[in-house]
Amino acid sequence: DAKTTQPNSMESNEEEPVHLPCNHSTISGTDYIHWYRQLPSQGPEYVIHGLTSNVNNRMASLAIAEDRKSSTLILHRATLRDAAVYYCILRDFSSGGYQKVTFGIGTKLQVIP
Amino acid sequence: DAGVIQSPRHEVTEMGQEVTLRCKPISGHNSLFWYRQTMMRGLELLIYFNNNVPIDDSGMPEDRFSAKMPNASFSTLKIQPSEPRDSAVYFCASSFHFRDRGAGNTIYFGEGSWLTVV
Repeated sequence: DAKTTQPNSMESNEEEPVHLPCNHSTISGTDYIHWYRQLPSQGPEYVIHGLTSNVNNRMASLAIAEDRKSSTLILHRATLRDAAVYYCILRDFSSGGYQKVTFGIGTKLQVIP
Repeated sequence: DAGVIQSPRHEVTEMGQEVTLRCKPISGHNSLFWYRQTMMRGLELLIYFNNNVPIDDSGMPEDRFSAKMPNASFSTLKIQPSEPRDSAVYFCASSFHFRDRGAGNTIYFGEGSWLTVV
């Protein structure tokens, strides 16, 4: 599995934008970039995903580097409810078979009031 | 839909006892995952099933751990005998894996089973 590297922790002030980076230098052409987040005492939940183009949804935006070796999850206005651990993972669907999905440590985001 | 349902939510047991964690995936999903989360190691994949068949159990720590999926709506993770180092949060997750659907396949997690072995 291609691996991702994220900072262990980040801080942001409330109502300011947050840019969460992820490096995936060994990404393959068929890897999709997915982001999940885990709120305290809950299981992870899906945030956003993309392949090559930048993506937007109601939760966040995903900016993908042109060479796809890195990506950034953007929270446009951080709220206290965004304090969570954010996971960047790669999912390869080229095999057509079964998907082993690993999450690792993620980035713990603290939002300061 | 009720989402992925796990039981028990919390369990405290003595070392050496058998522990059974249960999971009901979302109806219609064909992939099921068991994860373990600790502060030191983060979220680790233990095993995953596709269409009730175990596909990869390389993450299972040792022979004390076993998992079954007798049908599409039920799975168990069993630890026998349990040890204090097994204390963790165990998550079950499910998704629908469609071979040619590259973008989707969101994984849905349960709320976890918090296990403490004393």
